Amino acid sequence: EIVMTQSPATLSVSPGERATLSCRASQSVSSNLAWYQQKPGQAPRLLIYGASTRAPDIPARFSGSGSGTEFTLTISSLQSEDSAVYYCQQYNNWPPLTFGGGTKVEIK
Amino acid sequence: QVQLVESGGGLVKPGGSLRLSCVASGFTFSDYYMSWIRQAPGKGLEWFSYISNRNTIYYTDSVKGRFTISRDNAKNSLYLQMDSLRAEDTAVYYCAREVSGWAFGYWGQGTLVTVSS
Repeated sequence: EIVMTQSPATLSVSPGERATLSCRASQSVSSNLAWYQQKPGQAPRLLIYGASTRAPDIPARFSGSGSGTEFTLTISSLQSEDSAVYYCQQYNNWPPLTFGGGTKVEIK
Repeated sequence: QVQLVESGGGLVKPGGSLRLSCVASGFTFSDYYMSWIRQAPGKGLEWFSYISNRNTIYYTDSVKGRFTISRDNAKNSLYLQMDSLRAEDTAVYYCAREVSGWAFGYWGQGTLVTVSS
């Protein structure tokens, strides 16, 4: 089973600043990596798939990069509505599909 | 538009059973693999089962032998029969559909299952 490790656990960023979230896989997952945003009481929302492709209707301030074992989600200019927990998920070696433990983004 | 609506959650005693349903609309349900994903209170996401469009099924070890996934394409519905429930099965249960590879672009609103005496 591939283990996905996210860091940091919590990130506090001022509005308008850049937020950088990391996700590491225990072995290569190629570019088969997705990012999700989850707000309290809501289902997760797909932001990025294929490591760097934005899902429909996702604002351009969200971008993904990386391949192999190291991945990054960048929010270029943080907005108040971006306060949420963000999860990465690999879908290269499965079953099982596995998620990271999440990074909570707080607005400073 | 694509919609997934779960139902069937509730409070059940340890060792009890519950059946969840997920009704799909806005796409050709019979063409797609469907998954169940759960989230324990305050915890992360756990994918634990899928069923293919041809009824190939998979379970993770955490639910194997206790949970049964099924589908009724005529009713555009996905099901999860949960038996021998344990306290650690307490979670919000989501049905989900992939959009590219196995990235989940569509999720239901979730249904809460609480296992407690």
